[in-house]
Amino acid sequence: RKEVEQDPGPFNVPEGATVAFNCTYSNSASQSFFWYRQDCRKEPKLLMSVYSSGNEDGRFTAQLNRASQYISLLIRDSKLSDSATYLCVARGYQKVTFGTGTKLQVIP
Amino acid sequence: NAGVTQTPKFQVLKTGQSMTLQCAQDMNHEYMSWYRQDPGMGLRLIHYSVGAGITDQGEVPNGYNVSRSTTEDFPLRLLSAAPSQTSVYFCASSYTGQGNQPQHFGDGTRLSIL
Repeated sequence: RKEVEQDPGPFNVPEGATVAFNCTYSNSASQSFFWYRQDCRKEPKLLMSVYSSGNEDGRFTAQLNRASQYISLLIRDSKLSDSATYLCVARGYQKVTFGTGTKLQVIP
Repeated sequence: NAGVTQTPKFQVLKTGQSMTLQCAQDMNHEYMSWYRQDPGMGLRLIHYSVGAGITDQGEVPNGYNVSRSTTEDFPLRLLSAAPSQTSVYFCASSYTGQGNQPQHFGDGTRLSIL
């Protein structure tokens, strides 16, 4: 079993839709969590950190459930420019583990 | 405003050749790491360093060496290139190796081994 698991997708959604991605992690010692965005043939870029209290950045909301070892990302009012692969990341002591990513395609 | 700089961006090697992928950061980050990314496999950690003079193995270290003589630089060496090492390589850095520290990535090096 992978340490960080994500549904690979692809998720094909129309513009304006709300889409949710889920991620589970197996290492209970993981300390911090992130969502990254990766465009085709580009480097991953930090989208947002994830906190237990939940955090929001514009149309993006991230949530962490430590008891269930579960992380989520909600994107509201999807834009064409949101099309990318979204990577879930768990960070422990000196170790960072990436999920394989969930591909999102926003359709006009 | 350089951030993490990787060179070269593209490279083609023949089997058995050696080469060094360069990575430099100007953010005074202590933690640096190398990943390879292959289709369907996600990012896999090759080696990492928590500071100058300290390196450790990640998930897929075989066939690669690293050193960290300065805080800024973290080169990755392929000792004898094999076709299985064809991949996209990313270098990343962060202030420390723990806590709520996101990593910053370089642009990547696309390496093909013939």
